[in-house]
This record gives sequence, C-alpha cells and structure tokens, in this order.
Amino acid sequence: DADVTQTPRNRITKTGKRIMLECSQTKGHDRMYWYRQDPGLGLRLIYYSFDVKDINKGEISDGYSVSRQAQAKFSLSLESAIPNQTALYFCATSDPQGTEQYFGPGTRLTVT
Amino acid sequence: AQSVTQLGSHVSVSEGALVLLRCNYSSSVPPYLFWYVQYPNQGLQLLLKYTSAATLVKGINGFEAEFKKSETSFHLTKPSAHMSDAAEYFCAVGLFGNEKLTFGTGTRLTIIP
Repeated sequence: DADVTQTPRNRITKTGKRIMLECSQTKGHDRMYWYRQDPGLGLRLIYYSFDVKDINKGEISDGYSVSRQAQAKFSLSLESAIPNQTALYFCATSDPQGTEQYFGPGTRLTVT
Repeated sequence: AQSVTQLGSHVSVSEGALVLLRCNYSSSVPPYLFWYVQYPNQGLQLLLKYTSAATLVKGINGFEAEFKKSETSFHLTKPSAHMSDAAEYFCAVGLFGNEKLTFGTGTRLTIIP
C-alpha cells in the first residue's frame, strides 16, 4: 500500500464551486505539505504543517485553505475555484530530520 | 532565501549516451540538495540527496550528482542512458530541517532509441 494517498485522483469542477482535496499518510510523520505543479513552473508550496496545531502559508496560499484533521490527514480546500487553479496538486510528508519528502500520486484538478 | 535554476527544460539523449542535467542553486547558508524524478502520471520519487556529507552522491538507477560549492552546482549525471530514464527531473534546495523545499522548474528527459 502507498505511504501517501490522495483523493480524488482527478476532478473537474466549475468556477465558483468549493472543492476539497484530501491527503492521508501512513508514515507516522508530523510534517505534511501541499504543492501545486504547473507546466514550466515546477512545484510551488501552498501550505505546510509541522503538526496538527501548526499550519503555515507557503508561497502561493491565496485562494486556498487547509485543515489538519489528524497527524495522518491534511486537506486542501478551494473555497471558490477559479480556472487558473487548474493544476496538478501534490501532498507530501517528511521525517523530522528533513532528509526526504515523500509524495503522493497527485490530484489533477480542472476548473472550467 | 534559496532558489534553484535548472538549465534546459527539455533534454534529449541517445540510448547509451551520457545524461547530464544541470542544476545551480542559490542559498545564504549551506544547503541540502535533492534530485527528484517524476514518471508519467506519478508523484515525485527521490533520486538522491546531498546533506553535507560526501560531495559525490550516488542515487538510485545509476544516477549520481556532485555538489560543487565553488560553482553552486549540483548537476545530475548517468553514464549510459536507458529508455526507462525518460521522465521529468526536478532539482530542489532546502535548509536544515527540510521544512520548505524550493524546486526548480524541471527538465524533461527524452531518450532517443
């Protein structure tokens, strides 16, 4: 079984809709991250969390919110989706020493 | 603040030829450096990492990278390309603790039969 899972894997939604992307991990790590990937731009950090009570904004947090429901679960929400939020979204987790980040398979989101 | 520059968004090499993917970094303090690979429709997988130990780092699938502080580089190499190496490769820089990685824009590697 995968260490980091994301649901859904693909989603098409309309402008203005609220959508939630979910991430679960079985590695027992405290640190979790949300990134978005756009062609030619690499991965950019949206939010990160060091534990259930510690949530921090990344470089592109506008238009997004997150919830850390438990050590193993970290959700990303788009309160009112817009077309330029069409992207591939990745969740990741890392160990306390920070020597590696483990990525989920990604969620492809299309906003029409 | 740290940043990463990957030269060449697309690189094509013949099967059996040398693979060289370039990465230059900027960091105000000694960095941690990483190479990740992304195969089609998959997440990112760690290839190798430099965390201030040996400057020549060996990773999976025959890849290696050398940390050169004087050149602020961490180029990825493989002596002989294989068809299965076709993927997108990302260089990333972080600081101690890895709380925030900064990724390059990626290099798509194509292998020519």
